[in-house]
Amino acid sequence: QQQVKQSPQSLIVQKGGISIINCAYENTAFDYFPWYQQFPGKGPALLIAIRPDVSEKKEGRFTISFNKSAKQFSLHIMDSQPGDSATYFCAARTGSNYKLTFGKGTLLTVNP
Amino acid sequence: DGGITQSPKYLFRKEGQNVTLSCEQNLNHDAMYWYRQDPGQGLRLIYYSQIVNDFQKGDIAEGYSVSREKKESFPLTVTSAQKNPTAFYLCASSGPGQGPTNEKLFFGSGTQLSVL
Repeated sequence: QQQVKQSPQSLIVQKGGISIINCAYENTAFDYFPWYQQFPGKGPALLIAIRPDVSEKKEGRFTISFNKSAKQFSLHIMDSQPGDSATYFCAARTGSNYKLTFGKGTLLTVNP
Repeated sequence: DGGITQSPKYLFRKEGQNVTLSCEQNLNHDAMYWYRQDPGQGLRLIYYSQIVNDFQKGDIAEGYSVSREKKESFPLTVTSAQKNPTAFYLCASSGPGQGPTNEKLFFGSGTQLSVL
């Protein structure tokens, strides 16, 4: 059972455009929602994270939008740059354990 | 530099052979994790350890074994019982100061395991 569904699988955006990646979850006990960025041949690195008590969190060009009633959250990358080309993973976790559940990832390509 | 070191970067396994992937961290983190990454499948948890001498199975533990004898080290053995071992293996850790429940994971650079 996939607990975190991520879409799209791949995304191509022009430089300067907005990249949007969506995730949906089923487990209402999830209370922490991070996004990880992974470059080829490297391990993922935490990009930005949100808790369900807020609807939006912004860090630089990266914004998470969170809709608790719809059980959905999304990553928006403003002014996308070629250096943003990477695989992005959403994830979710409950506060009672150490296990992160990841989505299947989105391969983002930003064309110059 | 503080971080997580995985070795080797590439590893080849023969039929019927057990292989061990190394993971060392100098971040003084209590918790360590092993994830398996397959193309288009995301990251799936194999084993995790919250403290020395204790570990729990993740979602896909069959065919794998771990040990946690030291805080800094969490080696993963891929046994011959794992029939489809070809994947990218990622070790991670989390520890004090990373959130109320130590949420932030720090990942190593991974080991690519292939079957000969």
